[in-house]
Amino acid sequence: EPEVTQTPSHQVTQMGQEVILRCVPISNHLYFYWYRQILGQKVEFLVSFYNNEISEKSEIFDDQFSVERPDGSNFTLKIRSTKLEDSAMYFCASSEGLAVYNEQFFGPGTRLTVL
Amino acid sequence: DAKTTQPTSMDCAEGRAANLPCNHSTISGNEYVYWYRQIHSQGPQYIIHGLKNNETNEMASLIITEDRKSSTLILPHATLRDTAVYYCIVNSDYKLSFGAGTTVTVRA
Repeated sequence: EPEVTQTPSHQVTQMGQEVILRCVPISNHLYFYWYRQILGQKVEFLVSFYNNEISEKSEIFDDQFSVERPDGSNFTLKIRSTKLEDSAMYFCASSEGLAVYNEQFFGPGTRLTVL
Repeated sequence: DAKTTQPTSMDCAEGRAANLPCNHSTISGNEYVYWYRQIHSQGPQYIIHGLKNNETNEMASLIITEDRKSSTLILPHATLRDTAVYYCIVNSDYKLSFGAGTTVTVRA
């Protein structure tokens, strides 16, 4: 069964450092998403991406965040200068279409710890 | 404001049906009801969705009331592996808005 994969599973970084979280969406999917979940809190939408550009982003997704699809398979989330409050699980998801009824497939997540 | 209301937690006996309620009294005509679950901090997993009619797939059934103000997710034969947080989401677009969900514990 096709699945979304994410690397690394756990990333530890110092405050102020840049991190890149990587995702490989399901191969025939066209829409990609990042969500995050701070420990003990809700899963929050960050950004959606289609056709090499951001479709929509939340208030959380400020200038410190960027996304990119550098090649035909990877989808990355970059945090330019990490803060302590960026510590969270980051989930990548993908879907075939953008219709509201299209199932989103989530990856296993990357746990980011900012020290 | 939360669009859905779910119980915080519930227990279920292994092998029995688990019925998870969700209230969404302010749902509008173009909004779907989705259910996802999250097993122990893994990525959320899609279960089922519906608009007006009841739906069934290999994982679960979704019963939506005629006025669409509430719904029930039914796991027909709960197993220990169904222990998870279950999220009822009402959406008209692709940005999934997760609430706190219901923590379901299946006991042997």
